[in-house]
Amino acid sequence: DTAVSQTPKYLVTQMGNDKSIKCEQNLGHDTMYWYKQDSKKFLKIMFSYNNKELIINETVPNRFSPKSPDKAHLNLHINSLELGDSAVYFCASSQAVSSYNSPLHFGNGTRLTVT
Amino acid sequence: DAKTTQPPSMDCAEGRAANLPCNHSTISGNEYVYWYRQIHSQGPQYIIHGLKNNETNEMASLIITEDRKSSTLILPHATLRDTAVYYCIVNSGGSNYKLTFGKGTLLTVNP
Repeated sequence: DTAVSQTPKYLVTQMGNDKSIKCEQNLGHDTMYWYKQDSKKFLKIMFSYNNKELIINETVPNRFSPKSPDKAHLNLHINSLELGDSAVYFCASSQAVSSYNSPLHFGNGTRLTVT
Repeated sequence: DAKTTQPPSMDCAEGRAANLPCNHSTISGNEYVYWYRQIHSQGPQYIIHGLKNNETNEMASLIITEDRKSSTLILPHATLRDTAVYYCIVNSGGSNYKLTFGKGTLLTVNP
């Protein structure tokens, strides 16, 4: 009964490859997000989707393309992977965009290693 | 958004109360204080949030000073499973995507 689930948990790939990370939430939330946590442990927002529509894109290279087939899914596709893309990627969801009474629920992350 | 300052690390004995401080001296009137934590190898977990009144839920209590320039997260009976990085975040935007996670405080609960 995992609330926000991501697959795969670990992803090791070579530079230049294209890869996808999948995210699903069974909480009935309207808003989903992708975050990146780098080696220094800073957690930064990448994208935010509300009802399948993109509402925020935080200066992320266009090699990163989120796709939301429905409200319960937000997948992240990365083209032409670079060494600097190595990080832990977290998917999250919330009932609404507003933070006041709609806390974020995070998945357990996907550790991406680019060699 | 107002910046927050937290100690990089703290220790607490199991069963004792853990009091995690956060300074947010530049907080403005419409900014809320949020606390999340991240247990090793897991995603962050929401704990509690408040504006100016003290708040309590099943996980913790949040004490905000009257001038709102600082707050304290209290875990009343810390367990080993409470060992985590605790993030104090101030947000005025009202939008979840404006929450900025800093370095937080690594709380280590010792047996």
